[in-house]
Amino acid sequence: GAGVSQTPSNKVTEKGKYVELRCDPISGHTALYWYRQSLGQGPEFLIYFQGTGAADDSGLPNDRFFAVRPEGSVSTLKIQRTERGDSAVYLCASSPNGGWSTETQYFGPGTRLLVL
Amino acid sequence: GENVEQHPSTLSVQEGDSAVIKCTYSDSASNYFPWYKQELGKGPQLIIDIRSNVGEKKDQRIAVTLNKTAKHFSLHITETQPEDSAVYFCAASRLTGGGNKLTFGTGTQLKVEL
Repeated sequence: GAGVSQTPSNKVTEKGKYVELRCDPISGHTALYWYRQSLGQGPEFLIYFQGTGAADDSGLPNDRFFAVRPEGSVSTLKIQRTERGDSAVYLCASSPNGGWSTETQYFGPGTRLLVL
Repeated sequence: GENVEQHPSTLSVQEGDSAVIKCTYSDSASNYFPWYKQELGKGPQLIIDIRSNVGEKKDQRIAVTLNKTAKHFSLHITETQPEDSAVYFCAASRLTGGGNKLTFGTGTQLKVEL
């Protein structure tokens, strides 16, 4: 079946603007993760959803970042008042169940965000 | 929180040779250690993982070893091929029933030369 998809694949915006990044997880996966990957670095955890609720948002850098998953499938990462330092690849991953089992996280291709 | 260090940052090998990438972690409670391969412009793809109750795991040309006492784990790729060229990331997490938050290393750029 289809993997994790993310839209847009690339986003260029100006400093101070608002952006929304979308993630479509694998159908039936209840766990969804957002990571941010800066150039030459490994992905860094932002937020984890189990179903509709944000179970762990400890990785969000500040209150300009917010994410939702209203129906337990598609998720949107929202960034307000973007700054040049927000430029990165934003990765989404999903897994069948985010509980005790060691479930593989399947990553999408990412959204490359450039803030000018 | 967890901290994962990865070495080397770049690795160049001849086709057919072996490649070894090493990682250390700081949180002794971490119990899950996956390895991801990332090709240019794509998301990371899991290639192998290991739990803390196992010391070694092998899948064809790929193997991972874990030393819990020393808090380090390694990826071994044998008989390397040009298509193995990519960036490899190790990661660690502590499964708590509240998700699987991965902490990644900084990556190793592997180049397999003909």
